[in-house]
Amino acid sequence: DAGVTQSPTHLIKTRGQQVTLRCSPKSGHDTVSWYQQALGQGPQFIFQYYEEEERQRGNFPDRFSGHQFPNYSSELNVNALLLGDSALYLCASSQQETQYFGPGTRLLVL
Amino acid sequence: AQSVTQLGSHVSVSEGALVLLRCNYSSSVPPYLFWYVQYPNQGLQLLLKYTSAATLVKGINGFEAEFKKSETSFHLTKPSAHMSDAAEYFCAVTFAGGTSYGKLTFGQGTILTVHP
Repeated sequence: DAGVTQSPTHLIKTRGQQVTLRCSPKSGHDTVSWYQQALGQGPQFIFQYYEEEERQRGNFPDRFSGHQFPNYSSELNVNALLLGDSALYLCASSQQETQYFGPGTRLLVL
Repeated sequence: AQSVTQLGSHVSVSEGALVLLRCNYSSSVPPYLFWYVQYPNQGLQLLLKYTSAATLVKGINGFEAEFKKSETSFHLTKPSAHMSDAAEYFCAVTFAGGTSYGKLTFGQGTILTVHP
């Protein structure tokens, strides 16, 4: 049984560009959450998707948006990238209260 | 608002010694509590969880944690440290319902170093 997968593993962008990160949940999981982990910090909740709708959102600007597809996979989009958006982006899937994390996508904004 | 405090950003132990990583939470409703481990350049791996069943929970790799409501604590322990336990550990909290449902709030993390 494959766990949570994310793509790409690494990404380099320049300020002002847009980026799309992808996540496939564990088999049987219908909920996907996204987190941003800056260097030396704990993960910060961005938002959560369930039944193709955003169910919860953290304290992130509208530049951060997402989508969930009918097969429960998800995308995180970030527009107008800032240097401060450089971080490890983690996707987690769940069916109930326990979230299982993918390996993350490391984004570097230059 | 929910919050998690991990006491000690760095903990150093000798191989074979007791590991104790501290976590306190604040909550006005019963929490669900988790410990995750993160190895360098990797995602988070679930160690164990408390979801209102037994207060002493056992996880993978010999770790366990005890939920103490009176102390609002969920400290992580392991009787004997192994070199492979060196990593960063995160405590996290969420709730069964309300406005914070589904949102994990993490502590700042504790880096565990194990000396030979």
